[in-house]
Amino acid sequence: QVQLQESGPGLVKPSETLSLTCTVSGGYISDHYWSWIRQPAGKGPEWIGRMYSSGSTNYNPSLKSRVTMSVDTSKNQFSLKLTSVTAADTAVYYCARGAAGAHHSFDYWGQGTLVTVSS
Amino acid sequence: QSVLTQPPSVSGAPGQRVTISCTGSSSNIGTGYDVHWYQQLPRTAPKLLIYGNNNRPSGVPDRFSGSKSGTSASLAITGLQAEDEADYYCQSYDSSLSGSWVFGGGTKLTVL
Repeated sequence: QVQLQESGPGLVKPSETLSLTCTVSGGYISDHYWSWIRQPAGKGPEWIGRMYSSGSTNYNPSLKSRVTMSVDTSKNQFSLKLTSVTAADTAVYYCARGAAGAHHSFDYWGQGTLVTVSS
Repeated sequence: QSVLTQPPSVSGAPGQRVTISCTGSSSNIGTGYDVHWYQQLPRTAPKLLIYGNNNRPSGVPDRFSGSKSGTSASLAITGLQAEDEADYYCQSYDSSLSGSWVFGGGTKLTVL
């Protein structure tokens, strides 16, 4: 059974960089797309971006200028960096696996981690 | 403002049938991209409920079904149970700009 676990600081100051890591267990990080998705309180999820084990990435156009994703296949981990954060970036951040298919669903999700942007 | 539009809430009595709509546009559902549905219980991550418009992952009861037509999709739940009370989200792909995976704003299902 594939499991995902997010880790990283729960509090980030405005204008600083949010950094999160997702550790994948029960399966290999190869051969799948891996995404970051966030959900502000009381709102629907927002897709941030995805990456493949080769390092290729796709980002949400609305966040593209501030997002960087990377992968460490030796540790079965992938990471998110979001720069110049503001209060609007406060949300629960999830990592998720892309299911098979070009325009896929997300079949496995981490439990989520709350990131609050505040001074 | 979500790219996919869902009603904020629906309700039904135990045993009844409810449907949740998801309305998109010509750059997402109307292009033919698949629609997927998720169930989110309080304080948990979304769980994949329906994929590829009308397919259920292993373990999802056949009380849940999906359909798609034109620029819209629907989730139907029959034989409503108390444990179905949750938030439901639709998701698809949008080809505008550089392309993006998009979600609906969510529908809160209340079992009366």
